[in-house]
Amino acid sequence: EAEVAQSPRYKITEKSQAVAFWCDPISGHATLYWYRQILGQGPELLVQFQDESVVDDSQLPKDRFSAERLKGVDSTLKIQPAELGDSAMYLCASSPETGNTIYFGEGSWLTVV
Amino acid sequence: DAKTTQPTSMDCAEGRAANLPCNHSTISGNEYVYWYRQIHSQGPQYIIHGLKNNETNEMASLIITEDRKSSTLILPHATLRDTAVYYCIVRVPYGNNRLAFGKGNQVVVIP
Repeated sequence: EAEVAQSPRYKITEKSQAVAFWCDPISGHATLYWYRQILGQGPELLVQFQDESVVDDSQLPKDRFSAERLKGVDSTLKIQPAELGDSAMYLCASSPETGNTIYFGEGSWLTVV
Repeated sequence: DAKTTQPTSMDCAEGRAANLPCNHSTISGNEYVYWYRQIHSQGPQYIIHGLKNNETNEMASLIITEDRKSSTLILPHATLRDTAVYYCIVRVPYGNNRLAFGKGNQVVVIP
């Protein structure tokens, strides 16, 4: 069964450092999502791509977060500089088209110290 | 997207059917009911979704009331591996409508 691949699985970084997460969606999926999940809460959408274009980044803290999907396939989420409050799980998800069932990866755990 | 109301937590007996309720009294006509679950430290897993008819797949059954204001996810024979947070979400399945998660229902299957 095809899966959404994410890396790294775990990352510890010092505050003010840069950190990046990578996601490879299910093959052929045009829509890609990045979610953030703080411990004890449900996931919250950060950014949504349709192919290589951003269709919703209203919840992305753009002063320190950036996301790209240059060729419309894999994607990178970057945080610079990291803050203590960024400690969370970062989830990537994909769907064949917008509105279809969304499938999630295993997530990347970030701890900022 | 309409909001949903779920219990904060519930226990279920292993081997028995687990009935997980969800209220969505403000659901609109074009919104579907989706269920996901999240096992500790893993990403959310899609379970099932439906509009108004009851749905069944290899994981679960979804029963939606006739007025569509509530639904029940049924795990037919709960196992310890079904212990997870279960999310009930209503969403229009087209356009750029996001999947908006609440806090979910922490379900613990007890031996």
